[in-house]
Amino acid sequence: GAVVSQHPSRVICKSGTSVKIECRSLDFQATTMFWYRQFPKQSLMLMATSNEGSKATYEQGVEKDKFLINHASLTLSTLTVTSAHPEDSSFYICSARDRQGNGGYTFGSGTRLTVV
Amino acid sequence: QQPVQSPQAVILREGEDAVINCSSSKALYSVHWYRQKHGEAPVFLMILLKGGEQKGHDKISASFNEKKQQSSLYLTASQLSYSGTYFCGTEKPTEDKIIFGKGTRLHILP
Repeated sequence: GAVVSQHPSRVICKSGTSVKIECRSLDFQATTMFWYRQFPKQSLMLMATSNEGSKATYEQGVEKDKFLINHASLTLSTLTVTSAHPEDSSFYICSARDRQGNGGYTFGSGTRLTVV
Repeated sequence: QQPVQSPQAVILREGEDAVINCSSSKALYSVHWYRQKHGEAPVFLMILLKGGEQKGHDKISASFNEKKQQSSLYLTASQLSYSGTYFCGTEKPTEDKIIFGKGTRLHILP
């Protein structure tokens, strides 16, 4: 089945620094990938849709200058949290759908970001 | 529009059955069901596209009502491995993105 790899799985950074999270589709091409944020015991909140070769589409209320998304190839999307603050600490998950697959979305394993 | 899930949480003993509901005030294009274990990524269970559709594998099945405004996930003879949070999600075909409900936490006791 479709596999999505996400790195790193955990990262701790200092306030004011930037963190990059990678999301790769390993056995399929993804023109679109999705980035979610999840707080403890809460739902998956869609942050943005990453579009290969073009600008990302951000959901209402998500700061595009803080959460930079790049989708430079058909298998790689990156999310950079810029000038991170403690309130950015969260679980970030990417997903993509294999158009040749079963119709469902495959998720990466997630990145636990802690800003200190 | 975020689908509404109920109940918020369920505690069962191993072998008991559970039903999780997902509803919307407007007809849904499709319904996805996912299970997420603590600290892990959600895992796709199934997708329903047609009104009146029923689908399942092993002891986990789901239905989509004729009006496509409600879906139910059925877990029969629950096993310890069924514990986790279940999310339903719906997608807008014109936007190619999925919006999830708030989730239902299922805890199976031995």
